[in-house]
Amino acid sequence: DAKTTQPPSMDCAEGRAANLPCNHSTISGNEYVYWYRQIHSQGPQYIIHGLKNNETNEMASLIITEDRKSSTLILPHATLRDTAVYYCIVSIYNQGGKLIFGQGTELSVKP
Amino acid sequence: DVKVTQSSRYLVKRTGEKVFLECVQDMDHENMFWYRQDPGLGLRLIYFSYDVKMKEKGDIPEGYSVSREKKERFSLILESASTNQTSMYLCASSPPPGSNQPQHFGDGTRLSIL
Repeated sequence: DAKTTQPPSMDCAEGRAANLPCNHSTISGNEYVYWYRQIHSQGPQYIIHGLKNNETNEMASLIITEDRKSSTLILPHATLRDTAVYYCIVSIYNQGGKLIFGQGTELSVKP
Repeated sequence: DVKVTQSSRYLVKRTGEKVFLECVQDMDHENMFWYRQDPGLGLRLIYFSYDVKMKEKGDIPEGYSVSREKKERFSLILESASTNQTSMYLCASSPPPGSNQPQHFGDGTRLSIL
């Protein structure tokens, strides 16, 4: 299984961009990178996913390096509500869409 | 928006009871999943289902069973609840794996077995 490595915690000032890194050096060519977040006492919330190209939606941007061994999730203007644990996951779609969650990064957005 | 609804946010049961956790999704998704989440262990897959009446074991199926009689509903059953099954239980659904579309999760059921 491809594994991901994320820093355990990060701080970000409110209104600034939050850049969350993820290493996935053993990713296979047909595996996607997914990002979820989990706010305390709630279920994981899907944020964004990508294969090779950079992606952007209303929540965030995803930057994937050319060799696909790492990626960065960018929250362009972090708010207090973005305080959560962020998970970077490589999809093992050939196993029925099973997701393997690591320990994630605990992002604290401070006023 | 995709909606995955779990029947209870909090549940307290006694050791030995048979416990049913219900999950309903409104997006006509083929795949449904049950995970449990414990501090330090992350999310672990218990069972999943590709279609009605189909089920597959995940990583930790012992002590659990599932039922999928209708496409939109996936039930997790604790046959004889034990204290080590106290946990947060999360249901998710998604289109088929080949679509590479994301799983969407419910808000979870925090189950306490006394």
